[in-house]
Amino acid sequence: DQQVKQNSPSLSVQEGRISILNCDYTNSMFDYFLWYKKYPAEGPTFLISISSIKDKNEDGRFTVFLNKSAKHLSLHIVPSQPGDSAVYFCAASASTGAGSYQLTFGKGTKLSVIP
Amino acid sequence: EAGVTQSPTHLIKTRGQHVTLRCSPISGHTSVYWYQQALGLGLQFLLWYDEGEERNRGNFPPRFSGRQFPNYSSELNVNALELEDSALYLCASSRRPSSYNEQFFGPGTRLTVL
Repeated sequence: DQQVKQNSPSLSVQEGRISILNCDYTNSMFDYFLWYKKYPAEGPTFLISISSIKDKNEDGRFTVFLNKSAKHLSLHIVPSQPGDSAVYFCAASASTGAGSYQLTFGKGTKLSVIP
Repeated sequence: EAGVTQSPTHLIKTRGQHVTLRCSPISGHTSVYWYQQALGLGLQFLLWYDEGEERNRGNFPPRFSGRQFPNYSSELNVNALELEDSALYLCASSRRPSSYNEQFFGPGTRLTVL
């Protein structure tokens, strides 16, 4: 039972264009969502987060959008740079219920930014 | 501020052996989480410790265990190693559990079981 799904295993984008990474979730108890970036042989690095009371959060080139009714979130990277090439993980947590405060991760999307 | 540290960075073991992995959280963080990332898979939650107690464990057999020490550092023990235990083991830490739980990861320990 995969509660956080990233349906695109990979994505290729030209340098300077927009990268859009998508994530869907099934657990309506999730109220906090995060994106992590991971390079090979390194631990994931926290990128940006959003709580369920918001629908958008921006940090520089990175923006996360949350559509609660659709149980969908997306990460936009504008403009994309070759250094953004990495695996991006979507994660979610709930503040109540079984397993609260834990993160549930998607399987990741490998982003390749082509110079 | 020092990040999460893990040791060793790499480890090679044979089937049936035992292994201990170590993790030191960021100063001020009380929660430590362990994840397994096998080849081609996402991060699978293993264990969560907070204030010295095991708070939850993922869907892994009992030969995966661990503990958290009074200084909040943690160790993960894996007994009777199997080939499929070959993976990157990641440790993460966070502040006291709250609604907004950002976990910060260490570099991981790469375990190879032959």
